[in-house]
Amino acid sequence: GAVVSQHPSWVICKSGTSVKIECRSLDFQATTMFWYRQFPKQSLMLMATSNEGSKATYEQGVEKDKFLINHASLTLSTLTVTSAHPEDSSFYICSARESKGNTEAFFGQGTRLTVV
Amino acid sequence: GEDVEQSLFLSVREGDSSVINCTYTDSSSTYLYWYKQEPGAGLQLLTYIFSNMDMKQDQRLTVLLNKKDKHLSLRIADTQTGDSAIYFCAESEAASKIIFGSGTRLSIRP
Repeated sequence: GAVVSQHPSWVICKSGTSVKIECRSLDFQATTMFWYRQFPKQSLMLMATSNEGSKATYEQGVEKDKFLINHASLTLSTLTVTSAHPEDSSFYICSARESKGNTEAFFGQGTRLTVV
Repeated sequence: GEDVEQSLFLSVREGDSSVINCTYTDSSSTYLYWYKQEPGAGLQLLTYIFSNMDMKQDQRLTVLLNKKDKHLSLRIADTQTGDSAIYFCAESEAASKIIFGSGTRLSIRP
C-alpha cells in the first residue's frame, strides 16, 4: 500500500514552545489529509481535515490558533502545536487520502508529543 | 452526530476465532473499516467493506455487515499471538472524514 511518513516519531519540548509535526505522502498525491489525536487507551479523535491549498476545517472544540495546520502541497501537511502545555501531550496521527476520492486512508506512524 | 461504538476488551484462546463487534449510527455511511493498532504504532488498515455489501473475506479475516441494524463485525480465524492489538472500527461517507470507535483490545491467552 501507499506510504505516509510522519516526522518526528517522538518529541519532547518545554512548556510554552511550539512544535511542528510533518505528514508526507511518499508515493501518492493526497488532496485531503486528516489529523487525529489519541489519548492513552482511547480512540482517535479527529482534530481537523486539511485540504491542499485551502484552510483546514477544524472539529468542534479544537482551537485553530493553537493547532495550526498547513497543507501547502499535495504531499505535505504540517501540524504546529503552538505554546505547548503539558495537557497537549498526546499521540498525534495523520492520515492521507489519495486524490479522486479513493476509499483507503493511509496513516502515518504517529508522533508522541511530551510537553514538560 | 456520527457515533461508532465497540466493546473495549476481548480475550480469546490461541487458535480460537475472535469476533469483534461494532455498531454505528450514521445511516449515510458508505465505507466501514477495520484498523489494527499495535503498541506505540500508527494504524494499519486491515480491511474495509462498502455499505452495499454483506460480507467480505480476506484470508483469516471475515467482515460481516448488517446495514439494517448498523452492525459490523470482524472475525479473525485461528487467532495467533501476533494478533494481539487494538482493533478500531471506523466509518465514513464517500471521501469524507473517518470516524473511529473506541477500539477493542484483543488479548490472546495460551
